[in-house]
Amino acid sequence: AQSVAQPEDQVNVAEGNPLTVKCTYSVSGNPYLFWYVQYPNRGLQFLLKYITGDNLVKGSYGFEAEFNKSQTSFHLKKPSALVSDSALYFCAVRDRAAGNKLTFGGGTRVLVKP
Amino acid sequence: EAEVAQSPRYKITEKSQAVAFWCDPISGHATLYWYRQILGQGPELLVQFQDESVVDDSQLPKDRFSAERLKGVDSTLKIQPAELGDSAMYLCASSPRGLADTTDTQYFGPGTRLTVL
Repeated sequence: AQSVAQPEDQVNVAEGNPLTVKCTYSVSGNPYLFWYVQYPNRGLQFLLKYITGDNLVKGSYGFEAEFNKSQTSFHLKKPSALVSDSALYFCAVRDRAAGNKLTFGGGTRVLVKP
Repeated sequence: EAEVAQSPRYKITEKSQAVAFWCDPISGHATLYWYRQILGQGPELLVQFQDESVVDDSQLPKDRFSAERLKGVDSTLKIQPAELGDSAMYLCASSPRGLADTTDTQYFGPGTRLTVL
């Protein structure tokens, strides 16, 4: 069965500093990986996805993520965090072998302090 | 930019009552999903439609939950009777192609927050 782990419940970072949100996954086939962000009382907004090709994926709002097959990781990064980046971030994986079902991690809360 | 619409945004009900949520996907999207998100957790799929057909309802508690997408466009999720443990955010998502494309991206609506008293 496919699964996603986000080892940190919360990440605190000062505005202007680099931001990293960690994600590891487990699938039986080729992984398709996604990052979403959720603001309070809102739905999930798509940030970026990895399908194939370049391991570094660039997405919305200056975010990027690096796919590492050997470490089964897909960490989300932003070079310079903004206070407005404070939100809940979800990593998700999709595996054709699991019927294309999208499985989400438990989420990581990011708090960017001024 | 097209968005997934959901209503109501908030719903408070008493246990044993019936509730219904509505979702209008992005125009032209073939696949529609209903998720349940318990506070502090990631969303979990309840049911997936491809056009008007259910393709996955394995996690839907069918004794009390039902979902339909009669004309392959908008959808309704119903709970009858509601229980205290049903308190959660109910999210609807849609994607252009669904099962035919593993790379397909799901776009989410704002959700309906249900509180069962």
